[in-house]
Amino acid sequence: DARVTQTPRHKVTEMGQEVTMRCQPILGHNTVFWYRQTMMQGLELLAYFRNRAPLDDSGMPKDRFSAEMPDATLATLKIQPSEPRDSAVYFCASGPGGRSSYNEQFFGPGTRLTVL
Amino acid sequence: GNSVTQMEGPVTLSEEAFLTINCTYTATGYPSLFWYVQYPGEGLQLLLKATKADDKGSNKGFEATYRKETTSFHLEKGSVQVSDSAVYFCALTKDYKLSFGAGTTVTVRA
Repeated sequence: DARVTQTPRHKVTEMGQEVTMRCQPILGHNTVFWYRQTMMQGLELLAYFRNRAPLDDSGMPKDRFSAEMPDATLATLKIQPSEPRDSAVYFCASGPGGRSSYNEQFFGPGTRLTVL
Repeated sequence: GNSVTQMEGPVTLSEEAFLTINCTYTATGYPSLFWYVQYPGEGLQLLLKATKADDKGSNKGFEATYRKETTSFHLEKGSVQVSDSAVYFCALTKDYKLSFGAGTTVTVRA
């Protein structure tokens, strides 16, 4: 049963600290997405990768957020320095690529981040 | 731009009641339409999808029909169960981007 995995599931940190969230996409998928979910804003797309290349990070605050794919099995989202307003659930999703990637994304369980 | 508007919740129902969640969209061209479900503490799961006008998506007793003339994709289930309690998101995709509605929280009571 192939699934997207995310670590950690929960993270509590203090303002100013660096936070790194990790995602393992489904094996064979070549598109990866990062989303943020908050009560106020709902689901927001932060970044999109295809074949490990970042194609769209327009939804991501550039000054403190960064997203990378060091290899095909790992995607990372970093926040440095973190702020209380970054508290949210961060979801990673992957898609199989080709035409079908435009139609379906498979979501991980999320990382719940709390910045004090 | 592309956007999705769905019925605001929360919605509370008794078991075996009929459920409808309204969803309308704005998009250029011919988007694909989806319903995702999020159970407490979990990520989103695809519930059903439709990729062209008049298509009907169905899964687990849920149905939705892609109506281009009314730009709608309403979700229905004839007899809900307690296990259907979740947040439901209507979404569309154009190119690679998923645009989500705000989500509708559904609670089914025994």
